[in-house]
Amino acid sequence: DAGVIQSPRHEVTEMGQEVTLRCKPISGHDYLFWYRQTMMRGLELLIYFNNNVPIDDSGMPEDRFSAKMPNASFSTLKIQPSEPRDSAVYFCASSFFGASNNGYTFGSGTRLTVV
Amino acid sequence: GDSVTQMEGPVTLSEEAFLTINCTYTATGYPSLFWYVQYPGEGLQLLLKATKADDKGSNKGFEATYRKETTSFHLEKGSVQVSDSAVYFCALRTGANNLFFGTGTRLTVIP
Repeated sequence: DAGVIQSPRHEVTEMGQEVTLRCKPISGHDYLFWYRQTMMRGLELLIYFNNNVPIDDSGMPEDRFSAKMPNASFSTLKIQPSEPRDSAVYFCASSFFGASNNGYTFGSGTRLTVV
Repeated sequence: GDSVTQMEGPVTLSEEAFLTINCTYTATGYPSLFWYVQYPGEGLQLLLKATKADDKGSNKGFEATYRKETTSFHLEKGSVQVSDSAVYFCALRTGANNLFFGTGTRLTVIP
């Protein structure tokens, strides 16, 4: 398996533009998580899905952020409009709910810079 | 609620020194415990895990023992290498589907 695949690896955009981050989870995993990592706040869970259904989006910072999972092999995180304070590394992770002793598999992340 | 507290960094060691990174947890129920490592420019990778009390997780020379009596899961390595320079995250997971991460400890190993 190629692991969790995120694209793009780097994104530089101007304030006010729409940004879409993409994630392909590991085949067979039924949970998908979006995290944001910054120096100030560390790792923050934004939202997670189970079987393509959003379960908890309480970590989404504001309405400018939205996430979808149209099928088991694809998810997007969208920011519209983007702001400089959204600059961070965004990670996608997936997991199989076989038992709580499973960890998550993380993608390599998307480094977002909003100028 | 569930939480993880790990020692603040950064930690700087000379090559071949002994490493300890402290991690304590608070949890209801019986969590599984993990150490993740993040190398520069990369995502988090699972380093080791332990699923019940007294279990020892080990990988790449790193070890951590699940101590229920002290609610701890300290990471140790007997002889660090320059290639171990990274950020290390302690984490716990209970029946709910969320990993609770510590704030991370940056380790720098100098030759």
